[in-house]
Amino acid sequence: QAILTQPSSLSASPGASASLTCALRSGLYVDTYTIYWYQQKPGSPPQFLLRHKTDSDKQQGSGVPSRFSAFKNTSANAAILLISGLQSEDEADYSCMIWHITAAVFGGGTKLTVL
Amino acid sequence: QVHLVESGGGLVKPGGSLRLSCVASGFSFSDYYMNWIRHSPGKGLEWLSYLSGHSSYASHADSVKGRFAVSRDNAKNSLYLQMNSLTVDDTAIYYCARQLEVAGTIDLWGQGTLVTVSS
Repeated sequence: QAILTQPSSLSASPGASASLTCALRSGLYVDTYTIYWYQQKPGSPPQFLLRHKTDSDKQQGSGVPSRFSAFKNTSANAAILLISGLQSEDEADYSCMIWHITAAVFGGGTKLTVL
Repeated sequence: QVHLVESGGGLVKPGGSLRLSCVASGFSFSDYYMNWIRHSPGKGLEWLSYLSGHSSYASHADSVKGRFAVSRDNAKNSLYLQMNSLTVDDTAIYYCARQLEVAGTIDLWGQGTLVTVSS
């Protein structure tokens, strides 16, 4: 079982909100990890969006709009990236990441389509 | 302006070797952990290795341990990845990336270099 699981795709309409989930493997607890979120568009490297441990321990990437936010659903053992007021430019792949022991681990990524 | 520029990718036969390079500019290179991360076609990002600022600490993913080795030359602001015993599964875009602190944010990525392993 993968350490981080993300749905492969998600579609949403312009102006709507999109919730992208990143579920942790059973036995690993989302509230103990800092979750990092990255956005990647075709032909470009990933860009750091934000990191979230708790509501008081979080950081937005440089220049990242406030309509990108994150929270945790501890009952589902998952991290959520919430994108509000979707714009066409938000169409991209989104990946979550954690540091697990001495290694960085990425989720498989979610392709977000805005249509 | 901060930059990372990778080079050294190309076409290599299965079983072959390749050495990737990454040159940093615009920041104090030796102050940062540096990483190699790859993105294979149709797959997600895969972290490969990191190396501390003065090469004291290194870690490699299990998938490449024993085949890939990370190194750096701070005098040249350069990070390297020696890749041996390459297989078709190693075909990917390889990125070097800066890490802000131990087990911290990976905040700066290069544009990547393409490695294709094919007979």
